[in-house]
Amino acid sequence: SQQGEEDPQALSIQEGENATMNCSYKTSINNLQWYRQNSGRGLVHLILIRSNEREKHSGRLRVTLDTSKKSSSLLITASRAADTASYFCATSPSVGFQKLVFGTGTRLLVSP
Amino acid sequence: SAVISQKPSRDICQRGTSLTIQCQVDSQVTMMFWYRQQPGQSLTLIATANQGSEATYESGFVIDKFPISRPNLTFSTLTVSNMSPEDSSIYLCSVERASSYEQYFGPGTRLTVT
Repeated sequence: SQQGEEDPQALSIQEGENATMNCSYKTSINNLQWYRQNSGRGLVHLILIRSNEREKHSGRLRVTLDTSKKSSSLLITASRAADTASYFCATSPSVGFQKLVFGTGTRLLVSP
Repeated sequence: SAVISQKPSRDICQRGTSLTIQCQVDSQVTMMFWYRQQPGQSLTLIATANQGSEATYESGFVIDKFPISRPNLTFSTLTVSNMSPEDSSIYLCSVERASSYEQYFGPGTRLTVT
């Protein structure tokens, strides 16, 4: 399977703490995207990082990419109860780059 | 981002029947994608649909089971044929925003097969 792996599978933290999720993938990529999914609903696009970028920020989100290790991380700072969701990374391969290959996901629970 | 709608939002179907899911986008897009998310799992690409040509299916998915139509640049349908309980999943369509590589997803169709 070409599916990426995410860890941890589940993460439970208190409001105000930071949450870090990691994603590893197997093939060369054009870009990597992070998504949030609340309770089995549609996916919300969070951020895209290209293969020639190492770090990207958007509000409370920070994404890093290490193509030599084929890995990425998503950091959510000062987490809120509303951040409770599943988070997925998805890679777009270098060839056929419009397809997305999703990771296994991390379930984040932020308690008040 | 594109505004994407799907119909129906959910359905409960009998084994052996078929269901057609519609995906409508508010702007013209070249490629549309159909994904499946089985219960508690991640997303898997079913097929890529280009307007005016046959869809391209991923390994493990076949046209007889998941026929796709793409009649114009804003609309596509996915049919789940001869359903079994194993087809119970969320089905999502997505499109890529022009020149950005960002993919945006519809709200999904939650299918339960009894």
